[in-house]
Parts: sequence; structure tokens; C-alpha cells
Amino acid sequence: GESVGLHLPTLSVQEGDNSIINCAYSNSASDYFIWYKQESGKGPQFIIDIRSNMDKRQGQRVTVLLNKTVKHLSLQIAATQPGDSAVYFCAENPGGTSYGKLTFGQGTILTVHP
Amino acid sequence: NAGVMQNPRHLVRRRGQEARLRCSPMKGHSHVYWYRQLPEEGLKFMVYLQKENIIDESGMPKERFSAEFPKEGPSILRIQQVVRGDSAAYFCASSPLERYTGELFFGEGSRLTVL
Repeated sequence: GESVGLHLPTLSVQEGDNSIINCAYSNSASDYFIWYKQESGKGPQFIIDIRSNMDKRQGQRVTVLLNKTVKHLSLQIAATQPGDSAVYFCAENPGGTSYGKLTFGQGTILTVHP
Repeated sequence: NAGVMQNPRHLVRRRGQEARLRCSPMKGHSHVYWYRQLPEEGLKFMVYLQKENIIDESGMPKERFSAEFPKEGPSILRIQQVVRGDSAAYFCASSPLERYTGELFFGEGSRLTVL
């Protein structure tokens, strides 16, 4: 989906489909990129991260792709399940600090229909 | 192993009152971060603390906001003379290391509503 005004981008999928959530970043000096999942009323939960010297990393049912040329990050979720419904945030660890001072993106709402 | 504990989970204050939010990091973690989340936005960094030291407070508003992480006890985020614009979810995160090499462990957040 496309974002309009202050509304978050949304993605609706059927259970069992694959989901792709995209994120554009601006800081070419960032050395870590992270995906978080946030369920309603809860704190962000780490999903997967990738270092800037990699272009792909796989976890359990998730894959993160990093394209530094166009400053684009994506999260692929295989066989999406209703429990995957949440807001997904990309975050980056900007260069210049070595600690956990992260810059978060706007977020994408993923809704999985049974 | 208990995760990051934040309290209160929900706090209602009237304009001009003070809000105190507490965060107990995961056991063995001595690095604490506070982030603020406005409705339908991502989290924004506020402050990074180690025991008895503020390392980076570049995201803290210049007035009314303060944070501490004493030698004993939880980290405290204090907001004096709250205004409606302070209404937000405040998240604490902790890490065992100074150097970021992976995830931060976030708490469930404290949701402040200013009437």
C-alpha cells in the first residue's frame, strides 16, 4: 500500500502468502539495519538485522535484503501467518556512534487474513 | 529471565503535573536507552545512559525532561510540568554491551496521557 498524509503504509495478505515489506533509508554511513515487529500495545520485538557489508541475511521464515546502491531495505516473510499481523519498523544504526542509538522508519501495518 | 520491566504501563496526568517513568533493565545489562513513540510514528531516540552516567542525551527536549540511571535501582525518565504534547508511549531498552552488535531488548512501554 501507499502512505497518504500521516497514515502508515499498509499491506494486506492472505494466510500462507509471502509478504514483502519495504523501507528506504537515508544515511549511507549506517552500519546496521534492523527490522522490528510491534504488536498492538507492546514494545518492539527484534526480528532480524543485517550489517552494511552484507546484502542478504536469512532467519526463520524471514529474509532481509539490503540494496545500498538505492538505499533500500526489505523484509520478506514466508508463509505469512495471522500471528504475523503487526506494525513492522525498519531501523538503522547510524555511523558515528557505536551504541544503540537507532533511527526508526515510519512503519508498515501488516494484516494477515485467515 | 525477566525482560526489561517498565512501570507504570499507563499513566494519566493533568497539565502541569509531573510524570515519572521507571525502567529496570534485563539482568546483567548496564546500558539503558529511552525512546518516545508518538501515535502512528516510529520510535525516536531520547537518551542513552550507563550506571550513574548520561552518555548521549541528544534526543531529549531541552526543558522539563530529565533521565537518570543510579547505581542502585531502576532508570527514571522524569517529565516536569507535562503538556498535552508529551502524550506518547515511552519505551526503555537495555543492552549488555556498549557497542551495538545486535538487538536492543525493549520493554512493553509506559503510555502517558496528559489531560
